[in-house]
Amino acid sequence: AQTVTQSQPEMSVQEAETVTLSCTYDTSESDYYLFWYKQPPSRQMILVIRQEAYKQQNATENRFSVNFQKAAKSFSLKISDSQLGDAAMYFCASYNAGKSTFGDGTTLTVKP
Amino acid sequence: GAVVSQHPSRVICKSGTSVKIECRSLDFQATTMFWYRQFPKQSLMLMATSNEGSKATYEQGVEKDKFLINHASLTLSTLTVTSAHPEDSSFYICSGRRQGSGETQYFGPGTRLLVL
Repeated sequence: AQTVTQSQPEMSVQEAETVTLSCTYDTSESDYYLFWYKQPPSRQMILVIRQEAYKQQNATENRFSVNFQKAAKSFSLKISDSQLGDAAMYFCASYNAGKSTFGDGTTLTVKP
Repeated sequence: GAVVSQHPSRVICKSGTSVKIECRSLDFQATTMFWYRQFPKQSLMLMATSNEGSKATYEQGVEKDKFLINHASLTLSTLTVTSAHPEDSSFYICSGRRQGSGETQYFGPGTRLLVL
């Protein structure tokens, strides 16, 4: 069974600063994918970034980047130059064997 | 690209009635669709996985006779909550997986169900 753990229920960051959200996972599979999703107050799930487990290079998408430590089963999300629009609930998820497992989420507050 | 719609966005029904929620992939063919349930401030709980043209695979603890899922085409899946009760009130989210998308799921905007 897959498990995904987000140890930070809430985080806050000052606008324009950098914040890192933590995620650890556990899987027995060798082939899997990892994702970070954002869920703003509208509750529409939005893909932030994805990482294939077989790729060593950390994924980046503009201000969003990950630190993927495969041996440690860690997959943290770094948000640089935080903006007010980044305020949302962030979910870490792993995908393998045909389905996704989500963490409990981290609520990010961005202070102006 | 990769837009998923859900209808209705919000529904209120009386206890004992059935409610159907539609999930459509608007600009891609979803070989697999997923249905989730989410309680306020909580994570997404996978209810079932459906592949076009075959029976849905339900997660443990999800009543297949209560939550009927149909995936009749590559662009449409429906979830029917039969004989709804107040405890079925929740936020239901669907997602579609596009073949060749590297296991990325594209989510619908969700449906808020309130059973009185």
